[in-house]
Amino acid sequence: GQQLNQSPQSMFIQEGEDVSMNCTSSSIFNTWLWYKQDPGEGPVLLIALYKAGELTSNGRLTAQFGITRKDSFLNISASIPSDVGIYFCAGQLGRNTGKLIFGQGTTLQVKP
Amino acid sequence: GAVVSQHPSRVICKSGTSVKIECRSLDFQATTMFWYRQFPKQSLMLMATSNEGSKATYEQGVEKDKFLINHASLTLSTLTVTSAHPEDSSFYICSARAIDRGSYEQYFGPGTRLTVT
Repeated sequence: GQQLNQSPQSMFIQEGEDVSMNCTSSSIFNTWLWYKQDPGEGPVLLIALYKAGELTSNGRLTAQFGITRKDSFLNISASIPSDVGIYFCAGQLGRNTGKLIFGQGTTLQVKP
Repeated sequence: GAVVSQHPSRVICKSGTSVKIECRSLDFQATTMFWYRQFPKQSLMLMATSNEGSKATYEQGVEKDKFLINHASLTLSTLTVTSAHPEDSSFYICSARAIDRGSYEQYFGPGTRLTVT
């Protein structure tokens, strides 16, 4: 079945540093989504990407939908302590089904 | 807007009993809701897709007789874990897709922590 490979698995950075994480797949997705999950909570949508090549920003977050539709990256600029959490990429198999396949997650820790 | 709630947030039950988890879209209508399971330090795994007024579609390996899903209205879907066992202990999360927002985004509930003793 489809799988998403997300890297890195974890990151420990200094406050103020920029962060980059990415997801790759052997399958093509129509939509890429990036979520953040805090402990004991459900994922919260950060950015949704609908077109190949699309580059979208949400505050300090920037994400891009790869041209091949098999990859995506998320950048966080000038990290702050509240950025701590687990970040998941998700690929949507089809706009009609809405089924999401999630990456393994990137755990981000920020040192003040 | 786009708030999804789950009830209960935590539940502890004895092995062999059944537990019902509710998922509600509070400020929008959802023709489709999804149920996920997440084990500690792992990703979310889709269990089933729930469509209002029709039978749920289960992912491969998910027992439909054990995880009963009912999507009776455009704002409510329920997941019943029947004859629960300790290995069913997990974090169950639902998501809902809005029909009136013209997008393909899913909004997640806060999750339900199930512990089976």
